[in-house]
Amino acid sequence: GAVVSQHPSWVICKSGTSVKIECRSLDFQATTMFWYRQFPKQSLMLMATSNEGSKATYEQGVEKDKFLINHASLTLSTLTVTSAHPEDSSFYICSARVGGYGNQPQHFGDGTRLSIL
Amino acid sequence: GNSVTQMEGPVTLSEEAFLTINCTYTATGYPSLFWYVQYPGEGLQLLLKATKADDKGSNKGFEATYRKETTSFHLEKGSVQVSDSAVYFCALSDRTGNQFYFGTGTSLTVIP
Repeated sequence: GAVVSQHPSWVICKSGTSVKIECRSLDFQATTMFWYRQFPKQSLMLMATSNEGSKATYEQGVEKDKFLINHASLTLSTLTVTSAHPEDSSFYICSARVGGYGNQPQHFGDGTRLSIL
Repeated sequence: GNSVTQMEGPVTLSEEAFLTINCTYTATGYPSLFWYVQYPGEGLQLLLKATKADDKGSNKGFEATYRKETTSFHLEKGSVQVSDSAVYFCALSDRTGNQFYFGTGTSLTVIP
């Protein structure tokens, strides 16, 4: 149980393109989803917390207009990287949590490798 | 504030060796603690968790005990396999669940 599906797994696109990444909780409802960015050989950096039906909460230093997050339903959150540039190339990972308490683990998608040429 | 300090890697072990990856934390209140594993090119998978002091999480031969007195949650396995080669992350969740704090990750390579 608690499966999170992330799509696509790998994207290569030209500079200036906007890219949408989907994160779905397949067998549970997730009121809260999280978006992370991971650089090679580094830990995860939380970008934003996405709450169903409300605006996302962005971490300091993350550009809201660059990384658009939509959490329209209890099973789907999307991250759109607008006008992507080579410096946006990274591994993006989403996660979802069952319930709203700290003793519940986050369940992660398999990540999306984004390469901007 | 809350934070997680994790043993730096990389760690290289021979098959069947004993594994310990150290993790200590700083937290206010009563956090929950987790170990995640990340295989190359994949997302993170929950390995085990402990939600209160003296709890022992275990899975796939891995164990970790929530030690409040030493603020530690060290990961151990008695006999590692080549398939255990991955990056291991220690994580802490505050009581509200609004924040997850990850360690820097420890890369483990097990050689035959």
